[in-house]
Amino acid sequence: DAGVIQSPRHEVTEMGQEVTLRCKPISGHDYLFWYRQTMMRGLELLIYFNNNVPIDDSGMPEDRFSAKMPNASFSTLKIQPSEPRDSAVYFCASSRGSLNSPLHFGNGTRLTVT
Amino acid sequence: QQQVKQSPQSLIVQKGGISIINCAYENTAFDYFPWYQQFPGKGPALLIAIRPDVSEKKEGRFTISFNKSAKQFSLHIMDSQPGDSATYFCAASIGYQLIWGAGTKLIIKP
Repeated sequence: DAGVIQSPRHEVTEMGQEVTLRCKPISGHDYLFWYRQTMMRGLELLIYFNNNVPIDDSGMPEDRFSAKMPNASFSTLKIQPSEPRDSAVYFCASSRGSLNSPLHFGNGTRLTVT
Repeated sequence: QQQVKQSPQSLIVQKGGISIINCAYENTAFDYFPWYQQFPGKGPALLIAIRPDVSEKKEGRFTISFNKSAKQFSLHIMDSQPGDSATYFCAASIGYQLIWGAGTKLIIKP
């Protein structure tokens, strides 16, 4: 089991540029979560999917953020245009369908917007 | 009411000592309380979890104590080792919603 795979590991971009973060969940997991982690705000849930369908996107900070899950093995989180305050570590996590199944996190993408 | 308050923010313990991290919650509808461990450069990973109908759960050196009436739960790490140095997060869940504590950075001094 390769675990949750995220790419890139690090992304440095200039303000105003489009950023796309990628995630491959664990095979067989039907829930996928996008989190953002900062020192100030801790771990924040941005959005989660069930069977590729977005269920709750209330944590998405604003319209500049969008997420898609075109199939069971791939998801993207896009920021357009990016701003310095978007600098954070973005984590993808997946889990099996039963309640209280553990979340399996990827190693994150560290985004720096200058 | 959806908050989970975690303390302390940071903790330094001597090798072989007991590390204790505390969490408190308000919402009695929470029905599952996991602890996650995060090493630098890695994502959090589930360490141990408990349901509110149990007062204590032990896995190796790690124990969760749960006080339903006080709405508090804590993580105890016995015989703490330098390899336990990490950030620890408590959380509480309703359905598929996980509410996270702010995290405790634990340093075990050799």
